[in-house]
Amino acid sequence: AQRVTQPEKLLSVFKGAPVELKCNYSYSGSPELFWYVQYSRQRLQLLLRHISRESIKGFTADLNKGETSFHLKKPFAQEEDSAMYYCAPTSNSGYALNFGKGTSLLVTP
Amino acid sequence: GAVVSQHPSWVICKSGTSVKIECRSLDFQATTMFWYRQFPKQSLMLMATSNEGSKATYEQGVEKDKFLINHASLTLSTLTVTSAHPEDSSFYICSLPLAGRSYNEQFFGPGTRLTVL
Repeated sequence: AQRVTQPEKLLSVFKGAPVELKCNYSYSGSPELFWYVQYSRQRLQLLLRHISRESIKGFTADLNKGETSFHLKKPFAQEEDSAMYYCAPTSNSGYALNFGKGTSLLVTP
Repeated sequence: GAVVSQHPSWVICKSGTSVKIECRSLDFQATTMFWYRQFPKQSLMLMATSNEGSKATYEQGVEKDKFLINHASLTLSTLTVTSAHPEDSSFYICSLPLAGRSYNEQFFGPGTRLTVL
């Protein structure tokens, strides 16, 4: 079955600390993976996609096919990073997104 | 990026009535749009894929007669919740892909909060 697991509902870190938001997936084939972010009172927006191998706002995510993971990392968290983060592989149809349950990141001063 | 609007942003209705939610792309055309539902403190769940000029594709467990989707133009998709009941109270969000990029790069509307009394 297609499954996305974000084990942490809430992650609280101090400003300047490293942060890692975990995502594991169970998908057949070669899924395309994304991280979406939702800041307070804003709409969902794309943060990262694994194909691009880019760094956005200091965040990176590496696809580990062996561990079927796509963890999101940032070496030094900032207060403005506080938001809801969703891991989203493609769904069975290949087009829409199946979201993980999300991790709420809180960065405190 | 793309601009997606939804109308209304919130609606309260009586049980048994129907509610229409609009999703508009303001600056590009889309042959496909997606509709999601998000219950409080839960993740987004894909409800259906809206296809311009043809029938929508519904996810398993989503009643197509209950959630009517119409995608009559390249910039507008509507979701009608028919005979709404309190359990249909939720946050409904649409999204659509940006033309010319990876099909899976989506832009989301701000959502519509539906409360059924």
